[in-house]
Amino acid sequence: GENVGLHLPTLSVQEGDNSIINCAYSNSASDYFIWYKQESGKGPQFIIDIRSNMDKRQGQRVTVLLNKTVKHLSLQIAATQPGDSAVYFCAEQETSGSRLTFGEGTQLTVNP
Amino acid sequence: NAGVTQTPKFRILKIGQSMTLQCAQDMNHNYMYWYRQDPGMGLKLIYYSVGAGITDKGEVPNGYNVSRSTTEDFPLRLELAAPSQTSVYFCASSYSGLAGLPPPEQFFGPGTRLTVL
Repeated sequence: GENVGLHLPTLSVQEGDNSIINCAYSNSASDYFIWYKQESGKGPQFIIDIRSNMDKRQGQRVTVLLNKTVKHLSLQIAATQPGDSAVYFCAEQETSGSRLTFGEGTQLTVNP
Repeated sequence: NAGVTQTPKFRILKIGQSMTLQCAQDMNHNYMYWYRQDPGMGLKLIYYSVGAGITDKGEVPNGYNVSRSTTEDFPLRLELAAPSQTSVYFCASSYSGLAGLPPPEQFFGPGTRLTVL
């Protein structure tokens, strides 16, 4: 069936470095993508989203890139901080639908 | 606003017992969702509701039931608990989507950690 998955289960970076978390999706009907951050013991928290008619969107210290040709999504975090340590999930959705499909998550660890 | 609240935070059940996980939101959201998250995995949709009186199955509905008698509440019922239902359960809510616009952001509760022994 359709699925959304991540390339790397864990990522460890030094404080101040940039982080890149990748995600592959296979549902060609998806036209809306979201990145969530989940801290230990908490529910997912929205970070940034992007529609399929865009290939890049920037937020505060975060950038999401979308490559529809290869069905690939990435989250870039600039100047990674210890507070960025968490599990990051990509999720995809069809604009016409109300259901999110989540990937498996990447554990980001920021070393001081 | 309290946002999305869930009770209890933790629960241990014996095989075959039943329980109801409570979820409430005070944001007047039409849409509500139940997800389960197994260790090291992403969230899987169990059931969702687009309004009071309307519920639909998600990806993994077997072993669960829901009801939506009010806009605010969306309880999840486990009738015969099984070890495979050991998981963390998250409730979420969102506004209704508008045609042509991106789907609205889902707001998540803090989760209920359930262990079935």
